[in-house]
Order: sequence, then structure tokens, then C-alpha cells
Amino acid sequence: DAGVIQSPRHEVTEMGQEVTLRCKPISGHNSLFWYRQTMMRGLELLIYFNNNVPIDDSGMPEDRFSAKMPNASFSTLKIQPSEPRDSAVYFCASSFTGSGQPQHFGDGTRLSIL
Amino acid sequence: DAKTTQPTSMDCAEGRAANLPCNHSTISGNEYVYWYRQIHSQGPQYIIHGLKNNETNEMASLIITEDRKSSTLILPHATLRDTAVYYCIVRVAQAGGTSYGKLTFGQGTILTVHP
Repeated sequence: DAGVIQSPRHEVTEMGQEVTLRCKPISGHNSLFWYRQTMMRGLELLIYFNNNVPIDDSGMPEDRFSAKMPNASFSTLKIQPSEPRDSAVYFCASSFTGSGQPQHFGDGTRLSIL
Repeated sequence: DAKTTQPTSMDCAEGRAANLPCNHSTISGNEYVYWYRQIHSQGPQYIIHGLKNNETNEMASLIITEDRKSSTLILPHATLRDTAVYYCIVRVAQAGGTSYGKLTFGQGTILTVHP
């Protein structure tokens, strides 16, 4: 079975450019999560969607970050304009909604902002 | 969600059992214990979870003490490919609202399996 699919795997761009990260959750899962991982802060949750609706975006660092989930099989995380401090590995995870259901992660997008 | 405490690092010989401890003394009755691991350059991988009873799957066993204040993840026959950072996470069981099952990752335990 296909797991969570993220694209691109690597992205290198210059400061000020718009960056769009993409995620395809596991088919049938109705919860989707975006995480960011850095050496300094570890893994931290950015935003959570349930049934395509954003439920908790308290982890989104600032207005430069936005996330959408137009349908059950696709989500984007956008950074505009990007800054060097946004450099990190961004992970998407999905799960069924329900007591105890585990989240399954993609392999991430390694983002470098020069 | 309750806080967890894990050793920073552990070593294990290949072929032997790896026993990774986790303390979660403030765990609530409706919180599960989850274990994930992260191998270098990959996303976190779900291993196992439990509420009260011990659990076993094809990857590992999870032993939860009767008072639920600590648990141990057991990899019965560790291989070199099990070298990773292992995260013990306590997460509320009920979905909905702000207690939707948010995973809060700590620093984890770096497990090194050596030949």
C-alpha cells in the first residue's frame, strides 16, 4: 500500500521566493498533519486538518506560512516570502480519526533557503 | 498531554533484545503510550501503541506497568537497521476539539545497535 507521499523531496531556493510543499495522504485517512523538524526545535506540529478543515493552526510560525487541503487526497504548505530561518525538514502525516489511531509519516521535504 | 522522560542514548549488541524505557508519571487515564522511531533522513515510523495492556506486533512489544507510570519498548532481536532515534509519546485517546491526538515529540533515545 502507498504511504504518505510528499513532494518535492528536496528544495533549494533563494530568500524571498515562494515555496510550495505538497502532500498526498494515505487513501481513506481523514486527518492530516504538517510538522517541521530542525536541530534546534526538534519535531513540531504546524497545522492539523480533519475532514479537509483546518482545526488547529497554532503551530504555524507566522503569516508567511499557509496551508490548504482542497480535497481528501491533497494538501499544500506554502511559504511566501521564504527566509533562511525556514530551512528545515517538513513532514506530512495522516491518520484515521478515532481513538488511538496512529499517524503515519511521509519521508519529508528537505528545504534549504539561501 | 503528559510529559515523558527517556534516556538520551543506549547501546545494544546485534541479535540481542533492546529494552528502551520511558517514564510518564503524570499520564492520565485516557492517554495512550505511543512509540515511534526515526532513522536518519527518513520520516518518523510508527512502531506500536497501548493504553493499559501489554501489546505485541511484528516489530516490537510494549510493556506498560500496572500503574501506567512507565513503559518499556522491546525489540526482541535487534539488527543494525534498528539503529535510530526512538520516541516515546503520550497522547490523549479521544479525538475532537483541541485534544485531537496531537503528537508532541521530545528528544527521544538514540539507540545504536553494534555488531
